[in-house]
Amino acid sequence: SQQGEEDPQALSIQEGENATMNCSYKTSINNLQWYRQNSGRGLVHLILIRSNEREKHSGRLRVTLDTSKKSSSLLITASRAADTASYFCATGGETSGSRLTFGEGTQLTVNP
Amino acid sequence: EAQVTQNPRYLITVTGKKLTVTCSQNMNHEYMSWYRQDPGLGLRQIYYSMNVEVTDKGDVPEGYKVSRKEKRNFPLILESPSPNQTSLYFCASTSWTASYEQYFGPGTRLTVT
Repeated sequence: SQQGEEDPQALSIQEGENATMNCSYKTSINNLQWYRQNSGRGLVHLILIRSNEREKHSGRLRVTLDTSKKSSSLLITASRAADTASYFCATGGETSGSRLTFGEGTQLTVNP
Repeated sequence: EAQVTQNPRYLITVTGKKLTVTCSQNMNHEYMSWYRQDPGLGLRQIYYSMNVEVTDKGDVPEGYKVSRKEKRNFPLILESPSPNQTSLYFCASTSWTASYEQYFGPGTRLTVT
């Protein structure tokens, strides 16, 4: 069953703009992770935020987590054409953090 | 280099012909998992393994088998493939005693005719 749902399904922006993607989930979590996938290739881990954290930064990435609303957002600042990819959120449960449930992803296109 | 490898990367086969997709990781990870990715459905977990000789069903296990005889290897077996198993398959591993970050293989694109 799908746990995470990303919004929007697709996003197209210009280089230099910020991109924001949202993820909502249904059940209590241990952690929430964001992954990136270039077309048809393996997923690459971007960032993990634990359920007791509210915000986390990594380079141009900023992730927030609101457990009361069961939602998270991924912000990519100063986007580049190379950021074009699909972005997935994945949630790890309270009792089995390693077992992740993925959303369907947001397709981000950054136009040069 | 830390990595997860899968073989083959591409496979076209016919209905009913048994096949195995291999997965190997060199990071001494306890946890390994198989996913399939289909348009509009995202990634769905097929089977996972918490450690050697410990495997369990994911969300879509029907038509698949796995085994975990060694820590580094986690093959996916399709005993009698059918066209609805045409998909992009990913193997992943992680250390569940550490960060939970999953490392993914490059994917295997399977077509069953």
